This record gives sequence, C-alpha cells and structure tokens, in this order.
Amino acid sequence: DTGVSQDPRHKITKRGQNVTFRCDPISEHNRLYWYRQTLGQGPEFLTYFQNEAQLEKSRLLSDRFSAERPKGSFSTLEIQRTEQGDSAMYLCASSRGWGETQYFGPGTRLLVL
Amino acid sequence: AQTVTQSQPEMSVQEAETVTLSCTYDTSESDYYLFWYKQPPSRQMILVIRQEAYKQQNATENRFSVNFQKAAKSFSLKISDSQLGDAAMYFCALQGAQKLVFGQGTRLTINP
Repeated sequence: DTGVSQDPRHKITKRGQNVTFRCDPISEHNRLYWYRQTLGQGPEFLTYFQNEAQLEKSRLLSDRFSAERPKGSFSTLEIQRTEQGDSAMYLCASSRGWGETQYFGPGTRLLVL
Repeated sequence: AQTVTQSQPEMSVQEAETVTLSCTYDTSESDYYLFWYKQPPSRQMILVIRQEAYKQQNATENRFSVNFQKAAKSFSLKISDSQLGDAAMYFCALQGAQKLVFGQGTRLTINP
C-alpha cells in the first residue's frame, strides 16, 4: 500500500478564484470520501463515492463545490468562487467498503485571502 | 442523526503512565463501527483502534485498548505506558450507514 495521496498539500488563493484538489486513494479501495476540517475541530463529512458514483453529499457542500471520480480511480474536489470561509484542511479518505476502516491522506490546506 | 461527544478538550499525562480519553456517542442504527484516530502535529490522521459494535469484546492494539459500553453508548480509549510519540489530537469517530462522524477531539500532552 502506498497510502492515500493528495495534491497539492498547500494552496493559497484570492477570494473569488477557483481551486481544484486531487486525491489518489489506495488502489484496491472502491470507496472514497472527502472531509473538511477547520482549526481545532474534528473533520466534517462532505461527500463520498462508491467507485465512480457519488452517493451522498452533505449540506455543507454548497453549489460552489463539485466533486468527481472519473473511472472510479482518483477524485477531484473543485471549489468555485472561493470565499474566506472556505479556508480549511480538506481531507480525503478511502476504504474497501462499508464498515471497513477509512484511511486518510495528508490533506490539502487551503487559505483564501 | 449521529453525534459523537468528547468532553475533554485537553489531557496531560506523565511519560510511562496510563491515561484514559472519554467518548460518548448517539446513534439510532443497530449496526455501526467505532474508531479512535490520532492526528499528530503533522496533521495526518492515523487509525489507532477500531471496534465493531456487534462485538462485546473490547478491542486492543498493543498499548491501546478501549472500554466499549454499548448500553451506555460510551467508548473510551486507554493508553498504557504513555510515550512522547503519543502526543497528538485524538478523535473518536462513529461510522453508521456511510460516513464517519467525528467528535471535537482531545489534545493529549505527554510530560517527560
């Protein structure tokens, strides 16, 4: 296992710009999750995929957020028209299936100026 | 709705001593899993221990063990022989149908 990887690790952007993050899950894992973590808080669920299908989205995921997982491999999370409130750590996790342990990547830290 | 509560924002322990971190949860689901994750200052979330709710036996992983009280919806983590490398944020998490729901975390400090 090479682990879950995320790119970039850090992103600084200006308010109103679009940003895109990438997550590469552990190769045999068919579930992929996105979470958001603000300073001093636990992660909060955003969305998850079973293979290429996006099966659940949190109310936290406004229409400025979109996630994809083409071909059931890597996933991207795009934030359009970023706001200062989007500043957070964005975590990706993957698992073999329901009830299986989710393994986390190192996260992408976003700062919106 | 599922909730996880960690009532201890910070804990400290002397190196080599034992410390217990508390966690309570609420869920209406009959089938669920409980986890403790550790997040060191580098911020990568690492699995510490996992408990299947249908199992009565408490999970153990080397120096880490849990006290799972299903009726009380309590899931505490005991760390024995604390080491400097155990210093981190510890998150209790509940997985029901799909996603993980996390508590607010407990910051653990190890005093040499």
